[in-house]
Amino acid sequence: DAKTTQPPSMDCAEGRAANLPCNHSTISGNEYVYWYRQIHSQGPQYIIHGLKNNETNEMASLIITEDRKSSTLILPHATLRDTAVYYCIVRVESGGGADGLTFGKGTHLIIQP
Amino acid sequence: NAGVMQNPRHLVRRRGQEARLRCSPMKGHSHVYWYRQLPEEGLKFMVYLQKENIIDESGMPKERFSAEFPKEGPSILRIQQVVRGDSAAYFCASSPMDRGISYGYTFGSGTRLTVV
Repeated sequence: DAKTTQPPSMDCAEGRAANLPCNHSTISGNEYVYWYRQIHSQGPQYIIHGLKNNETNEMASLIITEDRKSSTLILPHATLRDTAVYYCIVRVESGGGADGLTFGKGTHLIIQP
Repeated sequence: NAGVMQNPRHLVRRRGQEARLRCSPMKGHSHVYWYRQLPEEGLKFMVYLQKENIIDESGMPKERFSAEFPKEGPSILRIQQVVRGDSAAYFCASSPMDRGISYGYTFGSGTRLTVV
């Protein structure tokens, strides 16, 4: 799986959009970009994933650059409960005998009141 | 629809004892993954199981650790002769993964093992 690079920490004001960047310059054509987050003392939570096109769900939006070398997770209206470590993971779409996810250090997003 | 259930939430063992961690996947999920998170570190993949089969155990320590997912009942992660370095949070995830289709994994709340 390709490696990812994320800033170790970010701050965002409550109510504003939080934009979390991820670089994955060695991504290959069949690898997806996944985002998870881990709120303190809880298990990781799946947020969103995508291949080429931008994706949106009830939690967030995922913007992937045209060359697919980087992406941005957008939380449109951040709340204090969004304070967590956010992980960007790149891997092939799983099926059959797939292995697990490779979590890096992620970005610690702190939402300020 | 209950999520991934792990128990116990907290487990304290003395050095040399055995630890058994249980994971019941979400209803309809037949794939289970175990991860370990050492203090102040990220999650590390340990093992991937389907019912009665270990698919990938590349992240499991070679000794003292074993995992199973029987036909009936929860998946069990077993650690024999625990040492202080085994103190960590152990997370289980499950997936309904069908061939060619992927979904986000659903994680449980974890078991926090403390070895004293």
